Amino acid sequence: EAGVTQFPSHSVIEKGQTVTLRCDPISGHDNLYWYRRVMGKEIKFLLHFVKESKQDESGMPNNRFLAERTGGTYSTLKVQPAELEDSGVYFCASSQDRTENYWETQYFGPGTRLLVL
Amino acid sequence: GQQLNQSPQSMFIQEGEDVSMNCTSSSIFNTWLWYKQDPGEGPVLLIALYKAGELTSNGRLTAQFGITRKDSFLNISASIPSDVGIYFCAGRFGGSQGNLIFGKGTKLSVKP
Repeated sequence: EAGVTQFPSHSVIEKGQTVTLRCDPISGHDNLYWYRRVMGKEIKFLLHFVKESKQDESGMPNNRFLAERTGGTYSTLKVQPAELEDSGVYFCASSQDRTENYWETQYFGPGTRLLVL
Repeated sequence: GQQLNQSPQSMFIQEGEDVSMNCTSSSIFNTWLWYKQDPGEGPVLLIALYKAGELTSNGRLTAQFGITRKDSFLNISASIPSDVGIYFCAGRFGGSQGNLIFGKGTKLSVKP
């Protein structure tokens, strides 16, 4: 079974440009998460989808970031316009949806390394 | 926002040595997790801990959920070169889903 995939693996853009990152979760996983790690800092939560709905977007830095998950399958994260501080590694993770009250493993993709110059 | 203090930041050890790293938090977590990230890859779950005081092993790895629910440690015994990578602790507050709070990571280097 394929794991979480992300595209592109690397992106170098200039300040003010737009970049769109894509995440394909593991098939059948209803939960999709976006995280970001800025160099040398912790991995920080951005938002959480359950199917196509945004369950929690409290970690989104500002309105330059727009995440979508049309149809509840793959997700995109668009940064427009990009700023220097947006540089970092953007991770996507997915997990199954269960009713039992125990933690469901989040499987991470390889990340997209974004550099804004 | 919530923060996890993970230490040490980096470790340089000889192959065969044991390794210990830990995380502390000012908040109580319901779940503690330890991930490892290899270069160019995403974090991979090593151990998940669900109960205060729980001690869990996964091969040469052992992790414990502190009884105060505010800390956790990870031990690696008899390190080998493939243990190289960045180890992250992460915590969750509750429920079966929801976002993770990560530490800054411990970068482990192993000299053969």
